[in-house]
Amino acid sequence: GENVEQHPSTLSVQEGDSAVIKCTYSDSASNYFPWYKQELGKGPQLIIDIRSNVGEKKDQRIAVTLNKTAKHFSLHITETQPEDSAVYFCAASKDYGQNFVFGPGTRLSVLP
Amino acid sequence: KAGVTQTPRYLIKTRGQQVTLSCSPISGHRSVSWYQQTPGQGLQFLFEYFSETQRNKGNFPGRFSGRQFSNSRSEMNVSTLELGDSALYLCASSLASSDTQYFGPGTRLTVL
Repeated sequence: GENVEQHPSTLSVQEGDSAVIKCTYSDSASNYFPWYKQELGKGPQLIIDIRSNVGEKKDQRIAVTLNKTAKHFSLHITETQPEDSAVYFCAASKDYGQNFVFGPGTRLSVLP
Repeated sequence: KAGVTQTPRYLIKTRGQQVTLSCSPISGHRSVSWYQQTPGQGLQFLFEYFSETQRNKGNFPGRFSGRQFSNSRSEMNVSTLELGDSALYLCASSLASSDTQYFGPGTRLTVL
């Protein structure tokens, strides 16, 4: 079955710097890759997603890149702010949104 | 539009008991998925319902079951609770099985 790895497990950056989180997946049939942000006491919130027919997607300070050949995708957050501090999860699915396999998560801390 | 709601938010049970958790999806969403989140295992897919039918199931024992009603609301049941069932149980809804999932805040279950 699908296996999703995520690195790093923890990441600390200074406010205003960029943060990059990387995920790799094992099933080449996977075609949908969402990123979720989870704050303490809340459920995961979708922040950006990308489908396999696109190599890059950007939404303001957040971008995701996908390399299907290498089977990895990355989350880029620019101009980080303290409110970006949270746990971020990547996921992969081969049914466009179902049967997600999640990565283990990255705890991002943005230091003021 | 109201988000996904889950009740109760917190629950304490003892070993051997059974528990029922409820999820109300976003209005108009017909697909509901359930996940278990623990520090050790991360986010794991339990099952997905669409139009009152279970379409996908994760790798969990038969003690975990669910159902979906005609109004798309869903319940999951765990029988003969074990200490290891302590977790945050998350529900996610989507318009259809191929659409983006939106998570609720979760129900934190503690088994003593």
